[in-house]
Amino acid sequence: AQSVTQLDSHVSVSEGTPVLLRCNYSSSYSPSLFWYVQHPNKGLQLLLKYTSAATLVKGINGFEAEFKKSETSFHLTKPSAHMSDAAEYFCVVSPRRALTFGSGTRLQVQP
Amino acid sequence: EPEVTQTPSHQVTQMGQEVILRCVPISNHLYFYWYRQILGQKVEFLVSFYNNEISEKSEIFDDQFSVERPDGSNFTLKIRSTKLEDSAMYFCASSEGGYTEAFFGQGTRLTVV
Repeated sequence: AQSVTQLDSHVSVSEGTPVLLRCNYSSSYSPSLFWYVQHPNKGLQLLLKYTSAATLVKGINGFEAEFKKSETSFHLTKPSAHMSDAAEYFCVVSPRRALTFGSGTRLQVQP
Repeated sequence: EPEVTQTPSHQVTQMGQEVILRCVPISNHLYFYWYRQILGQKVEFLVSFYNNEISEKSEIFDDQFSVERPDGSNFTLKIRSTKLEDSAMYFCASSEGGYTEAFFGQGTRLTVV
């Protein structure tokens, strides 16, 4: 069985400061891992994916995530937050075709 | 850029009525999915569809639900007799391969009254 735990339901940062959104996973298989973002009244947009190539994955809009097998983590980071980053972020695991979503982290960016 | 489109964006229906949610996946994609998100809860997998048949479904996807690809472009989710607890945002997604990333539509908000 697979599961995803997003360790923070809300994260608030100031514009220009680093962002860290934490995700731990468990999977019986070697998983694919994703981060999706959902802006208000919009669909789910893929930010980045890990599929067993490089452990440090770069995504869109300056986000990146590092796969750490020993810690079963896949945390999302960005060096400098922008106001437009305010959204809901979902960590997702996929050992098979069906995606298993985390409960989401709402990122607030203060001016 | 190709995208998944869903219609309608919002549907209100009376309890017990049938509802059909429509999706147009990305044209060269072969795998299609429905997910739902009840307000305040996680996004949950409902069903995946490949080669004109269901390839995987969750325990949520009971006999009240069905999916169909009626032509070469549309992918539909039918709920036969809606219940209040079916109120949710329903997302359609498609992917090129079975283990490649899924691209999501903007969702249909279903409200059952």
